[in-house]
Amino acid sequence: EVQLVESGGGLVQSGGSLRLSCEVSGFTVESHWMHWVRQAPGKGLVWVSLIKTDGTTTAYADSVKGRFTISRDNAKSTLYLQMNNLRVEDTAVYYCARDFYSCLDVWGQGTTVTVSS
Amino acid sequence: QSALTQPPSASGSPGQSVAISCTGTSSDVGAYNYVSWYQQHLGKAPKVIISEVSKRPSGVPDRFSGSKSGNTASLTVSGLQPEDEAVYYCSSHAGSTHVVFGGGTKLTVL
Repeated sequence: EVQLVESGGGLVQSGGSLRLSCEVSGFTVESHWMHWVRQAPGKGLVWVSLIKTDGTTTAYADSVKGRFTISRDNAKSTLYLQMNNLRVEDTAVYYCARDFYSCLDVWGQGTTVTVSS
Repeated sequence: QSALTQPPSASGSPGQSVAISCTGTSSDVGAYNYVSWYQQHLGKAPKVIISEVSKRPSGVPDRFSGSKSGNTASLTVSGLQPEDEAVYYCSSHAGSTHVVFGGGTKLTVL
């Protein structure tokens, strides 16, 4: 069964850091582009970042560029999102998702990040 | 990285049909046949219901259909069921910015 399980969310003060993890099963993490998408409380979905199959090509939304870093560990079948210099506006549920022709066809259950001032 | 434009709400009675629009630009919706639609029930993760403008993944009822004309894509839900009440999001490939989402449409089944 194809599955994504996020972890690593929590409460952090403004300016702090968190590392989110997304463990995949049922496929290999390096075989697909992978994304992070977030959803602030009561708001819509916002694309955050992606990593391509080569593992070195990455992209970020302007709002997180320079603060967030996406990476993966093929041996651990895990996708990561390192989040530094967190801001109150980064508060959201963070989802990892698998890409299939720019369609996010499999999603995790999400992990909640709360940034306090 | 501007979001695609969706109406904030839509509604219909059971058995009726409802269409939800998703308007982008010639750099995203108009440029690629990579428009997807997602259904999100309250407190749950999004689930894809349409990919590549009009393809339905396995297990998605054929009541859901997608189309595109120019810079606007549409999701049509026919024969509305109570369980269709959810928020629906469109997304599109957007070149270098890769993926852009719409703001979401809350569908109410009256």
